Amino acid sequence: GAGVSQTPSNKVTEKGKYVELRCDPISGHTALYWYRQSLGQGPEFLIYFQGTGAADDSGLPNDRFFAVRPEGSVSTLKIQRTERGDSAVYLCASSLSGTGFNTEAFFGQGTRLTVV
Amino acid sequence: KNQVEQSPQSLIILEGKNCTLQCNYTVSPFSNLRWYKQDTGRGPVSLTIMTFSENTKSNGRYTATLDADTKQSSLHITASQLSDSASYICVVGKGNTPLVFGKGTRLSVIA
Repeated sequence: GAGVSQTPSNKVTEKGKYVELRCDPISGHTALYWYRQSLGQGPEFLIYFQGTGAADDSGLPNDRFFAVRPEGSVSTLKIQRTERGDSAVYLCASSLSGTGFNTEAFFGQGTRLTVV
Repeated sequence: KNQVEQSPQSLIILEGKNCTLQCNYTVSPFSNLRWYKQDTGRGPVSLTIMTFSENTKSNGRYTATLDADTKQSSLHITASQLSDSASYICVVGKGNTPLVFGKGTRLSVIA
């Protein structure tokens, strides 16, 4: 596609439920990132994929959070037993390769998750 | 700890005026510094990317400066427009690892 696409754009779920957030990166981009942004804050890193593998998952807050990218393109962020503190905008970004150099990172519009 | 600190936290200016946003970072090793614009409800959009060897980079009315020695950057906006109202986020890259984001400066341009 023309840009990074995230679905759904909004998700309201009850505390304790399971949710999946989807990210379609720009075609051909090998690097994919998930960030979480709380109100009034900058994005906080969750996990980074290079191809199919998670190159860095140090930002995942606990074992309720998990992400996959089985074919090296679409990624799904999975949250189990959601808590109200999980409410935030979840941003996905992709780039041609890693971001060590001048590689441009493109962001999707995010999924706004609200846990009630 | 790798940190990116931005100031001011928020800023209100009149349309047509100039403004400068500041960014200090402690990220190491430093690879590049980016400024992003984030409109409310949207994802961040890149304005500029600078490596340690670049001192300044412009993108239209946006000019970013970088002092890698003092680990400071600024974003200067010239002749502000109402559409410049957004959050401006300073982001630092370190090696081939995830970007480190500041909390952003919330700019409001009023008529």
